[in-house]
Amino acid sequence: EAGVTQSPTHLIKTRGQQVTLRCSPISGHTSVYWYQQALGLGLQFLLWYDEGEERNRGNFPPRFSGRQFPNYSSELNVNALELEDSALYLCASSWGQGNQPQHFGDGTRLSIL
Amino acid sequence: QKEVEQNSGPLSVPEGAIASLNCTYSDRGSQSFFWYRQYSGKSPELIMFIYSNGDKEDGRFTAQLNKASQYVSLLIRDSQPSDSATYLCAVNMDPKSGYSTLTFGKGTMLLVSP
Repeated sequence: EAGVTQSPTHLIKTRGQQVTLRCSPISGHTSVYWYQQALGLGLQFLLWYDEGEERNRGNFPPRFSGRQFPNYSSELNVNALELEDSALYLCASSWGQGNQPQHFGDGTRLSIL
Repeated sequence: QKEVEQNSGPLSVPEGAIASLNCTYSDRGSQSFFWYRQYSGKSPELIMFIYSNGDKEDGRFTAQLNKASQYVSLLIRDSQPSDSATYLCAVNMDPKSGYSTLTFGKGTMLLVSP
């Protein structure tokens, strides 16, 4: 069974640019979560999608947005990139809502120059 | 503010010893508790989850939960050098609304020496 897949693995952007990250969940999983892991800050929750709807949002500005497609894959969009957006962006998926364990993809490492 | 606290370490143990990793959380209503292992430069890997008070064992790993003390721990028996990694404690902080958001601690680095 394939795990959570993310693309691309690495990205280098400059300030002010826009970026789109992609995630495909484990087959059968309907919930997709996005997390940011910046150096020294730990894993921070960004967004949660389930059944195509945004269910919860972390404490991030509106330039962080995303969506979930009918096949449950998801995109994370970041506009007007800032230096502090440099981080590992992790996607996780779970079977449904609530207490279900989340499984992570390998992440996209985003570097802002 | 809802928080998950872990000792950053490093926790150093010799090969074959028991490693004990601890985590406290601030939300008394939390119901789901997870341990992830993260090797340097890699993504977190789920190794244990626990929902009820008491112990849950899986191979060399035992998760312990005490909701009254708001405390969850992970024991690793017969520690191996390959267990050297950062261990992240994660807690579902908003179960009443049905949300699945996880709040992570900053992790404890474990070093197992041969």
